[in-house]
Amino acid sequence: DQQVKQNSPSLSVQEGRISILNCDYTNSMFDYFLWYKKYPAEGPTFLISISSIKDKNEDGRFTVFLNKSAKHLSLHIVPSQPGDSAVYFCAASKDDKIIFGKGTRLHILP
Amino acid sequence: NAGVTQTPKFQVLKTGQSMTLQCAQDMNHEYMSWYRQDPGMGLRLIHYSVGAGITDQGEVPNGYNVSRSTTEDFPLRLLSAAPSQTSVYFCASSYSNINTYEQYFGPGTRLTVT
Repeated sequence: DQQVKQNSPSLSVQEGRISILNCDYTNSMFDYFLWYKKYPAEGPTFLISISSIKDKNEDGRFTVFLNKSAKHLSLHIVPSQPGDSAVYFCAASKDDKIIFGKGTRLHILP
Repeated sequence: NAGVTQTPKFQVLKTGQSMTLQCAQDMNHEYMSWYRQDPGMGLRLIHYSVGAGITDQGEVPNGYNVSRSTTEDFPLRLLSAAPSQTSVYFCASSYSNINTYEQYFGPGTRLTVT
């Protein structure tokens, strides 16, 4: 049973526009939610996180929104740049464990 | 700082062989973990450690052993490799398991079991 779901395997966005990546979760006990970015042949790198007691966190071009009632979070990237083309993993944590989604591949089109 | 290092980068094993994937970090992080990444499956937690001498199982621990004798090192052992263990393995570390859970990942080990 998937506790963290990223239902879009891929997404294409024009350079300069907004990219919105979505994630749903099933366990209301998660403490933190995180986004990681991964380039081919590299390890994932941390992007941004949000505590379960907040509904928004912003860091430069990246904003994460959390809707606890819907058990949904989203990552907004504005404006999208060519270097944003990568796989994005949503993750949720409780105690010592982190559960990752399957990832969404973002393509930024010129 | 080298960050999180993993060796080897690539490995081919025959079914039944054993091997150890090495992971080391030089950031004095308490928390270390191992993940495997399979196509379409995301990252799945194998084992993790909250400090030297303490380890616990993740989502997919079967077929793997770990130990944590020092803060720096967290090796992953495959005792009898199976084709189902063909995957890319990532080691990660973080300062603590109780704050924002920002983990630093190594570059990965690509393992093929024939």
